[in-house]
Amino acid sequence: DSGVTQTPKHLITATGQRVTLRCSPRSGDLSVYWYQQSLDQGLQFLIQYYNGEERAKGNILERFSAQQFPDLHSELNLSSLELGDSALYFCASSVLGTGLYGYTFGSGTRLTVV
Amino acid sequence: KNEVEQSPQNLTAQEGEFITINCSYSVGISALHWLQQHPGGGIVSLFMLSSGKKKHGRLIATINIQEKHSSLHITASHPRDSAVYICAVVDTGNQFYFGTGTSLTVIP
Repeated sequence: DSGVTQTPKHLITATGQRVTLRCSPRSGDLSVYWYQQSLDQGLQFLIQYYNGEERAKGNILERFSAQQFPDLHSELNLSSLELGDSALYFCASSVLGTGLYGYTFGSGTRLTVV
Repeated sequence: KNEVEQSPQNLTAQEGEFITINCSYSVGISALHWLQQHPGGGIVSLFMLSSGKKKHGRLIATINIQEKHSSLHITASHPRDSAVYICAVVDTGNQFYFGTGTSLTVIP
């Protein structure tokens, strides 16, 4: 157990639907990162939050949104789902908001859109 | 254009061999990370480098900032090292870029 908790582990949903992925960071970590890993595009950075505020934004679609709550857990909302959104979604956390310290990854949420 | 290039894409080694995986990048970075992803999908952060060299057990990671190049070495490789190794860089604007990964298979 890495200390980063992602739920659910697996999710199957239909095109056009909306889902919410949840991430609880490791105790003491203030920063949360979301990544998407698909078969054809590999790992891609989506978005980072630090202590409740958006810190950096990567290749996140407009149909996707995220937030970090006061208790530091984060949610990634994916709407108007398409077949191409099927992927592994990872969350990672770190103590600070920069890349200068290590990251701890969750075990991921496997999203299948049918 | 890929900001991070890894080589080789696939690597098969006999148990005990010394292994090197290379990573070249084109952006200015604040840090470079080596990640390990096992067949089950879980990702483990192996190293974070901003300069020099780090060692952890049989794993050694080096970075040359001037040449924008990093290497991950595995000494005395073992079948349990079989995994995908991913190089990731964080640029000075906190953007992440990932290599496509090196799939390593170590045969007993």
